[in-house]
Amino acid sequence: RKEVEQDPGPFNVPEGATVAFNCTYSNSASQSFFWYRQDCRKEPKLLMSVYSSGNEDGRFTAQLNRASQYISLLIRDSKLSDSATYLCVVNGRNDYKLSFGAGTTVTVRA
Amino acid sequence: SAVISQKPSRDICQRGTSLTIQCQVDSQVTMMFWYRQQPGQSLTLIATANQGSEATYESGFVIDKFPISRPNLTFSTLTVSNMSPEDSSIYLCSVLQSGNSYEQYFGPGTRLTVT
Repeated sequence: RKEVEQDPGPFNVPEGATVAFNCTYSNSASQSFFWYRQDCRKEPKLLMSVYSSGNEDGRFTAQLNRASQYISLLIRDSKLSDSATYLCVVNGRNDYKLSFGAGTTVTVRA
Repeated sequence: SAVISQKPSRDICQRGTSLTIQCQVDSQVTMMFWYRQQPGQSLTLIATANQGSEATYESGFVIDKFPISRPNLTFSTLTVSNMSPEDSSIYLCSVLQSGNSYEQYFGPGTRLTVT
């Protein structure tokens, strides 16, 4: 079983729509959770860390469900510039090493 | 966040040769890592670059194939040795700036093609 699993998509949505997707992780000892964004032929960029209580950054909302071991990302009022691959990233307990999901591709169309 | 640069940004190499990739950070960082991203796939950690000592390699990666140096807190190199077409990939360095957070920041990557 992969450490981090994501629905690869693609999610094709119109501008202004809301899109949400999850990822699941296998290591119950994981303590830190992140969403990274990766544009085509670019490096991953940290979008947001995910906290136990859930957190929001503008149009982006992340939730963590430790009991079911999944993380979600919701994007409201989608913009064309939100088109990218979103990587779910998890680390182990007290471990700096990160495990990456394969990514969820989102395409926002005009 | 730290500004990270990598050189070269891309290269095309012949099989059997070696390429050294440099990663430079504009400030001292706690930890540096090297990743590989093969076409259409996500990132795989190659090793943790340790300052002043041998790197810590992940399963499936060995020092003879991917020697790593980290002479100080702002610089590291990864060498891809005796290359084959299967080594064609993007190689990325990342940094962890402080011990209080596990957030890593990535360099722009080196796109390697082996012919």
